Amino acid sequence: GENVEQHPSTLSVQEGDSAVIKCTYSDSASNYFPWYKQELGKRPQLIIDIRSNVGEKKDQRIAVTLNKTAKHFSLHITETQPEDSAVYFCAAPGRGYSTLTFGKGTMLLVSP
Amino acid sequence: DSGVTQTPKHLITATGQRVTLRCSPRSGDLSVYWYQQSLDQGLQFLIQYYNGEERAKGNILERFSAQQFPDLHSELNLSSLELGDSALYFCASSALGTLSYEQYFGPGTRLTVT
Repeated sequence: GENVEQHPSTLSVQEGDSAVIKCTYSDSASNYFPWYKQELGKRPQLIIDIRSNVGEKKDQRIAVTLNKTAKHFSLHITETQPEDSAVYFCAAPGRGYSTLTFGKGTMLLVSP
Repeated sequence: DSGVTQTPKHLITATGQRVTLRCSPRSGDLSVYWYQQSLDQGLQFLIQYYNGEERAKGNILERFSAQQFPDLHSELNLSSLELGDSALYFCASSALGTLSYEQYFGPGTRLTVT
């Protein structure tokens, strides 16, 4: 929906640990939820997305879960590696359903 | 490489000036989106064009304007620049005007207003 809340704002983990980032949205009609990874000084890159007709999607070490009833979705990264360190943004459909509203981002720091 | 190009990469200008940022979408994409990313800020949606027509407006200042040309490239014009306009400006493109397709971001233009 148009209001997207993302938590936490920063997350520090040790290499090999799991990391979870959560987002909530306001519009119950929203049906598309992407996650972007942005390394320092670089462009946001789409890493995974989920549509409302599924509850979970996995791609190697990353997964996204969606709870439409509670209007929240989460990014799960397992076996974290230092190269996972970046800012992660969630998003949901914005105005008119042809735009995206982004969360404020989560800075993930993975320590070796 | 997303296939979206933006020029210039860096731009340094003075307050009160006007600049133009350029974006070329991925081949075949009809929709272009402009975003502003300030320090410690998220991605603020500015405006969207679809096949030459304005499709949606976000938090775009009246001093800013954009257009999309027949060859589908887009330009973002920023005028009467203020220090607070210093930011990374990204464009993104997608295949259609709805969210049936993902948005792919360009490398960004870093604008510094002194």
